[in-house]
Amino acid sequence: ILNVEQSPQSLHVQEGDSTNFTCSFPSSNFYALHWYRWETAKSPEALFVMTLNGDEKKKGRISATLNTKEGYSYLYIKGSQPEDSATYLCAFVGGSYIPTFGRGTSLIVHP
Amino acid sequence: DSGVTQTPKHLITATGQRVTLRCSPRSGDLSVYWYQQSLDQGLQFLIQYYNGEERAKGNILERFSAQQFPDLHSELNLSSLELGDSALYFCASSVDGQRQETQYFGPGTRLLVL
Repeated sequence: ILNVEQSPQSLHVQEGDSTNFTCSFPSSNFYALHWYRWETAKSPEALFVMTLNGDEKKKGRISATLNTKEGYSYLYIKGSQPEDSATYLCAFVGGSYIPTFGRGTSLIVHP
Repeated sequence: DSGVTQTPKHLITATGQRVTLRCSPRSGDLSVYWYQQSLDQGLQFLIQYYNGEERAKGNILERFSAQQFPDLHSELNLSSLELGDSALYFCASSVDGQRQETQYFGPGTRLLVL
């Protein structure tokens, strides 16, 4: 059973704060790491797909980095806004086609 | 709106019954994935199809089966339902079903087994 861990489990920040959270995954047999944003009562929405060690991706105020050698990815949100409140999920895909999801980090941004 | 549609949105049924969940992928997508989200577990991968053929299988129970039809829509059949099968079932699609491709999720079907 593959272990994909996300930390912290939940996070409360004030509007305007910058924040980051971590996804840890097996460092062997890596193929891709997916990040999703999941708002309450909606479905997961893809943010990034990362495949190369050292990859950095950016979408507006959200960015992500990838370290496949040590098995972690960071997601950063700069200047958090209340609309950023959501659960952020990562999913590791290794040698098989089977994605293994972490339990997510729940972010609440207070106005 | 991701372009992936799922029906029904909600389903309430009794233990021992059988239900069918339906998914239509985005136009042009050849691969469909099924996921289960239950309260005590994270998002769990069930099965993936590519152009009508099974590509990958997760921890899908033997009571569950799926298929992808020639028009690329997919159905997930759940039989001999138990209380523990109550969950949110998502379908997602991608263009070619490759591991590095973005998956687009449908709105989900919420199943309640009483």
